[in-house]
Amino acid sequence: DTAVSQTPKYLVTQMGNDKSIKCEQNLGHDTMYWYKQDSKKFLKIMFSYNNKELIINETVPNRFSPKSPDKAHLNLHINSLELGDSAVYFCASSHFAGTSGMGQETQYFGPGTRLLVL
Amino acid sequence: QKEVEQNSGPLSVPEGAIASLNCTYSDRGSQSFFWYRQYSGKSPELIMFIYSNGDKEDGRFTAQLNKASQYVSLLIRDSQPSDSATYLCAVRIGGNNRLAFGKGNQVVVIP
Repeated sequence: DTAVSQTPKYLVTQMGNDKSIKCEQNLGHDTMYWYKQDSKKFLKIMFSYNNKELIINETVPNRFSPKSPDKAHLNLHINSLELGDSAVYFCASSHFAGTSGMGQETQYFGPGTRLLVL
Repeated sequence: QKEVEQNSGPLSVPEGAIASLNCTYSDRGSQSFFWYRQYSGKSPELIMFIYSNGDKEDGRFTAQLNKASQYVSLLIRDSQPSDSATYLCAVRIGGNNRLAFGKGNQVVVIP
């Protein structure tokens, strides 16, 4: 199936641990994203990569480190997990539209990774 | 000023009625606008995008864009119980495909 996939779907871990989330897309897109959705359901961009180059880096603690080995993959590593990191993390992908864009830059989301830090 | 604002919800509508959702944005240079639907426990899925002033219809959904007033709206006609979800307004800001999302409107369709 063509889609954006994420692993794992659920992640329960202790404070202070280090964990990784993986994302893969087979839509042929060149841009991938990580979003965080908190308990109030607010969806906020964290990072974006275009052709393996970091193009968006929002105000995120440096405990979060993204890595894109190729256009189809984007991983997120989190060091020293804190209680406040508990959230749903969504990966998304799209074509890159630059300053133009008539919908082809539509972002498609993966199923999410539900992270609970105890 | 928030980049994207949506009215607080939830919005309860009887089955068969029209649900109307509004969204305002702060960046006058924004070019692309999206409505996503998110069911509880699921990921956002695209309903519509719009980039020209006016109306755009797709089935029971109509998006309306007014760049001069900096608002975009979504109408859901003949609302069905399956439309019960949170609707997220998203605006593309800048040249890096960055989407700013509103907080969402929860819609509850009452049979």
